[in-house]
Amino acid sequence: AQKITQTQPGMFVQEKEAVTLDCTYDTSDQSYGLFWYKQPSSGEMIFLIYQGSYDEQNATEGRYSLNFQKARKSANLVISASQLGDSAMYFCAMREGMGDRGSTLGRLYFGRGTQLTVWP
Amino acid sequence: DTGVSQNPRHKITKRGQNVTFRCDPISEHNRLYWYRQTLGQGPEFLTYFQNEAQLEKSRLLSDRFSAERPKGSFSTLEIQRTEQGDSAMYLCASSSPGRAALSMAQYFGPGTRLLVL
Repeated sequence: AQKITQTQPGMFVQEKEAVTLDCTYDTSDQSYGLFWYKQPSSGEMIFLIYQGSYDEQNATEGRYSLNFQKARKSANLVISASQLGDSAMYFCAMREGMGDRGSTLGRLYFGRGTQLTVWP
Repeated sequence: DTGVSQNPRHKITKRGQNVTFRCDPISEHNRLYWYRQTLGQGPEFLTYFQNEAQLEKSRLLSDRFSAERPKGSFSTLEIQRTEQGDSAMYLCASSSPGRAALSMAQYFGPGTRLLVL
């Protein structure tokens, strides 16, 4: 089974509008972390936002917020006030085993990504 | 504040040749990761170091692949007897230990794009 599922291959949004990118995850761990990364056409993966499984509040970082619904195992990224520079590939990722002493497992599981296009 | 660097940025080789990639992590980071990304896919985990110890390896890391981090600083990833299926972007990332949320993120380098002819 896929650990991370991103069902939207492509999304389009007009500049200054908000957009939601979907992500669902699958894990039996109680402690885990969820991440979103942006990958522009240049190829470098840029960390955007993190949500821990025990965090009670949704994470926010500037124009990015994470809509975390634990019971539904979803971690959607919301980008407010879209800008042309937001056009990129967006990946959702998960790390399992985030215990109190920090993760002992290194790997991130990535989804297949969503290509976001912001138009003027 | 320098980020993760990778060299070379591009590599073209013929099938059967050996190639080696280098990754220099962010200086205070003690954890280093290698991923492989093929077209239209998300990165796939290859291996992970904490300091010089290789703590986790993916089944994707066949016998032709070897990674080292001899002094706990930079790392090398070698592919022996390359095959056309090895053509991909090879990404390196680093992270630091600690409980702050940002310290648990992995910070990626620009990647090395490999083309095997």
